[in-house]
Amino acid sequence: DVKVTQSSRYLVKRTGEKVFLECVQDMDHENMFWYRQDPGLGLRLIYFSYDVKMKEKGDIPEGYSVSREKKERFSLILESASTNQTSMYLCATSRDSGGELFFGEGSRLTVL
Amino acid sequence: AQRVTQPEKLLSVFKGAPVELKCNYSYSGSPELFWYVQYSRQRLQLLLRHISRESIKGFTADLNKGETSFHLKKPFAQEEDSAMYYCALSGLEGTALIFGKGTTLSVSS
Repeated sequence: DVKVTQSSRYLVKRTGEKVFLECVQDMDHENMFWYRQDPGLGLRLIYFSYDVKMKEKGDIPEGYSVSREKKERFSLILESASTNQTSMYLCATSRDSGGELFFGEGSRLTVL
Repeated sequence: AQRVTQPEKLLSVFKGAPVELKCNYSYSGSPELFWYVQYSRQRLQLLLRHISRESIKGFTADLNKGETSFHLKKPFAQEEDSAMYYCALSGLEGTALIFGKGTTLSVSS
């Protein structure tokens, strides 16, 4: 079974704080993704990575950055959190580009 | 442009009734379509994909290229089918899955 672990299930941060969301997978998958999930808006892709040290912007990259220093770890960074970044953040991995995604449990971030 | 449309935010049915969750897509090439499901307090997971042509938990979905649709169907809904359902499209090589906005299915007795 693929295991995708997101380090924090719930976070509360203040506007302007720097926020790190960590995701680790144990199945040697090449591809990793960060989505945000909002009611009525579905899942929107923030960033994805097909290889170590490689990243591609998704549909809503503004206000976010990512880091992939090791194959198994993909971090999402909010340089200066804002209230409109309050959301559920989902990490996912896949073996093949465009293939089945395996999701983490999600990190619910509240920015006050 | 690649796009997935799920026209219904909420679908409420009674137990035993047929269910159809609608999904339409926009893509000029040969797409690969998926349905993902998220049960309460569980992680999002794959329900089925069109290339496998399987029936999972009684659900089926047929890709209709003429109508650019991939509707999810089940003849007799169960209460445990209550969940959020997302349709997703895999298009261009090297790109990520594109998701629709999701439909909440509520099955009541």
